[in-house]
Amino acid sequence: DADVTQTPRNRITKTGKRIMLECSQTKGHDRMYWYRQDPGLGLRLIYYSFDVKDINKGEISDGYSVSRQAQAKFSLSLESAIPNQTALYFCATSVAGATYNEQFFGPGTRLTVL
Amino acid sequence: AQKITQTQPGMFVQEKEAVTLDCTYDTSDPSYGLFWYKQPSSGEMIFLIYQGSYDQQNATEGRYSLNFQKARKSANLVISASQLGDSAMYFCAMREASGSARQLTFGSGTQLTVLP
Repeated sequence: DADVTQTPRNRITKTGKRIMLECSQTKGHDRMYWYRQDPGLGLRLIYYSFDVKDINKGEISDGYSVSRQAQAKFSLSLESAIPNQTALYFCATSVAGATYNEQFFGPGTRLTVL
Repeated sequence: AQKITQTQPGMFVQEKEAVTLDCTYDTSDPSYGLFWYKQPSSGEMIFLIYQGSYDQQNATEGRYSLNFQKARKSANLVISASQLGDSAMYFCAMREASGSARQLTFGSGTQLTVLP
């Protein structure tokens, strides 16, 4: 079983719709992250959370919101989706205090906004 | 300024040969870590190798090694004895110890194609 799971894996939606992407992890990690990847670009950080009560904006948070429902769950919402939010979205986790803080990635959610 | 630069959008290598994927980075933080990830066409991100800024020796993991040249701020990935399954996008990333997010900053990637 995968340690970091994302649902849905693929989603097509229309402009203006509210969308929620969910991430769950069984690794017991405190830290969770949401990234987006656009064609030809690396991953860019949207939001991150170091524990249930800690939520922080990343590099490109505009148009997104998150919820850390539990240590194991971190959801990303697009309140009103727009076409330039079409991208591949990754959730990642890491353990606090690790020597090198490797991040473990989920399989990704491919989102298309028409 | 770009923190991570990968200057090779695409690379080709013959099966069983070695290939070097370039990565240069920019930071003023004395403590940082450098990572390489592989992204096959299926999309997942697979961690390959890590190098810490204070590590004295170059990191190695099986067929992967990291050619770390601190003074030049480069962290090139070397894949020895390439296999067809190595065809993928490869990303270099950096984490700076002083960053509040402890986030990974990624380069734009190199698409590696291994030829039979």
